[in-house]
Amino acid sequence: KAGVTQTPRYLIKTRGQQVTLSCSPISGHRSVSWYQQTPGQGLQFLFEYFSETQRNKGNFPGRFSGRQFSNSRSEMNVSTLELGDSALYLCASRWGGSGTEAFFGQGTRLTVV
Amino acid sequence: DQQVKQNSPSLSVQEGRISILNCDYTNSMFDYFLWYKKYPAEGPTFLISISSIKDKNEDGRFTVFLNKSAKHLSLHIVPSQPGDSAVYFCAASEDNAGNMLTFGGGTRLMVKP
Repeated sequence: KAGVTQTPRYLIKTRGQQVTLSCSPISGHRSVSWYQQTPGQGLQFLFEYFSETQRNKGNFPGRFSGRQFSNSRSEMNVSTLELGDSALYLCASRWGGSGTEAFFGQGTRLTVV
Repeated sequence: DQQVKQNSPSLSVQEGRISILNCDYTNSMFDYFLWYKKYPAEGPTFLISISSIKDKNEDGRFTVFLNKSAKHLSLHIVPSQPGDSAVYFCAASEDNAGNMLTFGGGTRLMVKP
């Protein structure tokens, strides 16, 4: 069974640009969540999508957005990049039911210069 | 305000001995708790979880204890092995479904041969 796949693994962008990250969940999983990991703030929840609908949202500005497609693949977009957006972005896949653990991808390392 | 805290940034243990990693939380609405292990350049890997209706859950060498009155949980690893060396994160969720995980800052465990 293939795991969670995130692309690209590494990305360098310039301040002010926008970026799109992709996540393919485990087959059969309908929930995809995104997390940001930084040295200062640790792992923080961005948002969760379930059956193409945003089900939960963390405390991040509107520059951070996402979507989920009918095959459960998800993308997150960050517009008007700031230096502070440099982080490891992790995608987590869950079947979606109660008490089911999240499986994480390897992450996308975004560097904003 | 950190709702989940891991007060020990690092822990060093001899191989074969017990490793005890601690986690405190402040949000009384949390009812589902998880432990993840993370190696460098990889996403977090699920280890073990516990629902708030239990006070102990065991899986092989890993046992999680939950003390709701103290808002404290701990992960015991017995016996510790060098391959256990990693960063351990505790996480909590309000909805017993593992959505919107709130993570602690992590504890780096080093198991010495």
